[in-house]
Amino acid sequence: DAGVIQSPRHEVTEMGQEVTLRCKPISGHDYLFWYRQTMMRGLELLIYFNNNVPIDDSGMPEDRFSAKMPNASFSTLKIQPSEPRDSAVYFCASRPGQGFQYGYTFGSGTRLTVV
Amino acid sequence: KQEVTQIPAALSVPEGENLVLNCSFTDSAIYNLQWFRQDPGKGLTSLLLIQSSQREQTSGRLNASLDKSSGRSTLYIAASQPGDSATYLCAVRRSGYSTLTFGKGTMLLVSP
Repeated sequence: DAGVIQSPRHEVTEMGQEVTLRCKPISGHDYLFWYRQTMMRGLELLIYFNNNVPIDDSGMPEDRFSAKMPNASFSTLKIQPSEPRDSAVYFCASRPGQGFQYGYTFGSGTRLTVV
Repeated sequence: KQEVTQIPAALSVPEGENLVLNCSFTDSAIYNLQWFRQDPGKGLTSLLLIQSSQREQTSGRLNASLDKSSGRSTLYIAASQPGDSATYLCAVRRSGYSTLTFGKGTMLLVSP
């Protein structure tokens, strides 16, 4: 298995532009999570999906952030318009099921820089 | 609300030393606890997962223990090597929740 695949690896954009981050979870994993990592706040959950349905988006900072999962093999996180304070590393992770025996697998992340 | 604390924030040791990284959490009602490794500029690599009913897990030179009642976990690294240099993150999944709460990590440097 190729693991959780994120693209792009790096994104540099100007303030005000739209940014779209992409994630392909591991096949067969029912849960998909988006996390953001910054030096100040560490890793924070933004949103997660179960069977393509958004379950908890309470971590999405503002209406400028939106996430979709149109099918079991693809999810996007969109920021529109982007701001310099959105600069961070965004991680996607997936998990097979709900049981306590299941751990998370993370992607390599997208490093976003908004200038 | 679950809070996860990792001590120390940074650790520097000479090669060959055995070392212990600490993780504490405030809510003992957990499903499991997962230790990750993160290399600079890279993603998170899962090292060990301990289920709530387990006391420890081992993988090679790594051993993780869990004491739910006291809200603590330790990651023991035997015979440390320069290649072990990375940030180690502890993450807890609370019972009844699907999400992980992370500590801020311990940055480990092992010198040759």
